[in-house]
Amino acid sequence: DAKTTQPPSMDCAEGRAANLPCNHSTISGNEYVYWYRQIHSQGPQYIIHGLKNNETNEMASLIITEDRKSSTLILPHATLRDTAVYYCIVRLGIPGGSEKLVFGKGTKLTVNP
Amino acid sequence: NAGVTQTPKFRVLKTGQSMTLLCAQDMNHEYMYWYRQDPGMGLRLIHYSVGEGTTAKGEVPDGYNVSRLKKQNFLLGLESAAPSQTSVYFCASSYSTGGAFSYEQYFGPGTRLTVT
Repeated sequence: DAKTTQPPSMDCAEGRAANLPCNHSTISGNEYVYWYRQIHSQGPQYIIHGLKNNETNEMASLIITEDRKSSTLILPHATLRDTAVYYCIVRLGIPGGSEKLVFGKGTKLTVNP
Repeated sequence: NAGVTQTPKFRVLKTGQSMTLLCAQDMNHEYMYWYRQDPGMGLRLIHYSVGEGTTAKGEVPDGYNVSRLKKQNFLLGLESAAPSQTSVYFCASSYSTGGAFSYEQYFGPGTRLTVT
């Protein structure tokens, strides 16, 4: 699975958009980008995933660059409850591909009042 | 649905003792996983299972054994606990489309284990 690079920490003001970047320059054509987050002491929570098109759900939006070498997770209106560690993960999404999620250290997002 | 549950939530062991961590899911998921998380680090995969009766090694399997006798349960065993196994253990499960591909993983609340 391709490796990812994320900033160790970011701050965001409550009510503003939080934009979390991720570099995955060695991603291959059949690897998906996944985002999970982990609120203090809890189990990780799935947020969103995508292959090459931008994706949006009730939690967030995922913007993937045209060359797929980087992506941005957007929380449109961050709240204090969004303070967490956010993990960007790439993994194969084809039958027979690895089912293993490889978690790096992620980005610690702090939402300030 | 209870989702993914883990038993126990906390445990303190002495070096050399054994114990079993239980993970249960009620979502009829095929795949189940055990991870450990140490302070300041991301999660590392210990073992995983792609179906009842099958298990496979992950990134850090040494010192652990697992069993998947029933689809809804995945057990993690420590035969002879060591202080290096002090960690938070997370279980997860995911469904598949019938092939080898699966989607998002659902995580349990974690078990905090201290080995003295």
